[in-house]
Amino acid sequence: QVHLQQWGAGLLKPSETQSLTCVVNGGSLSGYYWSWIRQAPGKGLEWIGEISYGGSTNYNPSLKSRVTMSVDTSKNHFSLILNSVTAADTAVYYCARAVGATGGYYFDSWGQGTLVTVSP
Amino acid sequence: DIQMTQSPSTLSASVGDRVTITCRASQSISSWLAWYQQKPGKAPKLLIYKASGLESGVPSRFSGSGSGTEFTLTISSLQPDDFATYYCQQYNTYSWTFGQGTKVEV
Repeated sequence: QVHLQQWGAGLLKPSETQSLTCVVNGGSLSGYYWSWIRQAPGKGLEWIGEISYGGSTNYNPSLKSRVTMSVDTSKNHFSLILNSVTAADTAVYYCARAVGATGGYYFDSWGQGTLVTVSP
Repeated sequence: DIQMTQSPSTLSASVGDRVTITCRASQSISSWLAWYQQKPGKAPKLLIYKASGLESGVPSRFSGSGSGTEFTLTISSLQPDDFATYYCQQYNTYSWTFGQGTKVEV
């Protein structure tokens, strides 16, 4: 059973850069896409983007200009960088394994979530 | 983006009730729909994929149906552990999008 464990800074000031990492335990990065999803306080879920084992990425257009995802196969982990954060980026951020077929993905394993707060 | 609209937003129910949640897509998504359960402070948990496929380990009281633009999640007999918020998600077209959630409460 794959287990995702994530970590990163929890408190940022506006304009700073957010960095989160998610390690995959009990499984390999190979063969899957790996996603980041966030949830603002009391709100619904927003897909941020995904990255493959080989480094191919797809990003949500609403965040694309500020998002970079990367993968480190030697450490079996993947990362999210979000630039120029504002209060609107305050949310719980989840990493997740994307599974599916025919070009579409849903999420069968999730990290525990990291609360990121952006405040002056 | 494809918009996903769930109804109702909140549902009051009792243990043993049959519960149905509806999810509508702004355009056809075939059967590329998943359902998740989320409890406070926890990550979402996958229940249903491809509209009606039951994820391994999920109780059989959960079922999904629908295709095109209208989908339902049914809990045949609500259990105490089922009080939670439920989300649908389309994976037919980028960007993957979620419904706003349906909270099932006592």
